[in-house]
Amino acid sequence: GQQVMQIPQYQHVQEGEDFTTYCNSSTTLSNIQWYKQRPGGHPVFLIQLVKSGEVKKQKRLTFQFGEAKKNSSLHITATQTTDVGTYFCACNSGYSTLTFGKGTMLLVSP
Amino acid sequence: DSGVTQTPKHLITATGQRVTLRCSPRSGDLSVYWYQQSLDQGLQFLIQYYNGEERAKGNILERFSAQQFPDLHSELNLSSLELGDSALYFCASSVGGQGNTEAFFGQGTRLTVV
Repeated sequence: GQQVMQIPQYQHVQEGEDFTTYCNSSTTLSNIQWYKQRPGGHPVFLIQLVKSGEVKKQKRLTFQFGEAKKNSSLHITATQTTDVGTYFCACNSGYSTLTFGKGTMLLVSP
Repeated sequence: DSGVTQTPKHLITATGQRVTLRCSPRSGDLSVYWYQQSLDQGLQFLIQYYNGEERAKGNILERFSAQQFPDLHSELNLSSLELGDSALYFCASSVGGQGNTEAFFGQGTRLTVV
């Protein structure tokens, strides 16, 4: 089935620094979703991207879908301690309609 | 509150035993997904049901089974439990079954096998 690879696996930043996580697929995706899981919590939906080259913003978060619809990124500007958590991308794969990447764990030091 | 209810929240059981995890989806959601999350692992897809029927199956062990009932709640049955089955089990629900609508996750059931 279709898989998505996420990098980096882990990132530790100082508060105020920017952060980016990438999600890559070897095949064209119909859409991609992003979720955030706080420590000890459950995944929470952030956004869905559908169109080639689509860019969406939510306050300090910018989501991008590649022109070929094979990759996506989530960029956080000026991280805050509240951004701590694991960020997952998810896609419709061949065997599951919602397959998740392994996630990027973000730690933010004050 | 996502609207998805999972019970129990915690479960401790011995190896070889059988347990049932329960999930009530959000009102109106027809699709239910089950995921397993172990330490340092992502969300491993187990199985999906849509309106009572199995829609997709992941790397679910033969010792595991699930079903979705007419009222759309779902149960995940884990049998002949092994230490390695200790994990957080999440249920998620969505309106559609094609992975193009937002999925809402429950709080999870933390299973510990001793």
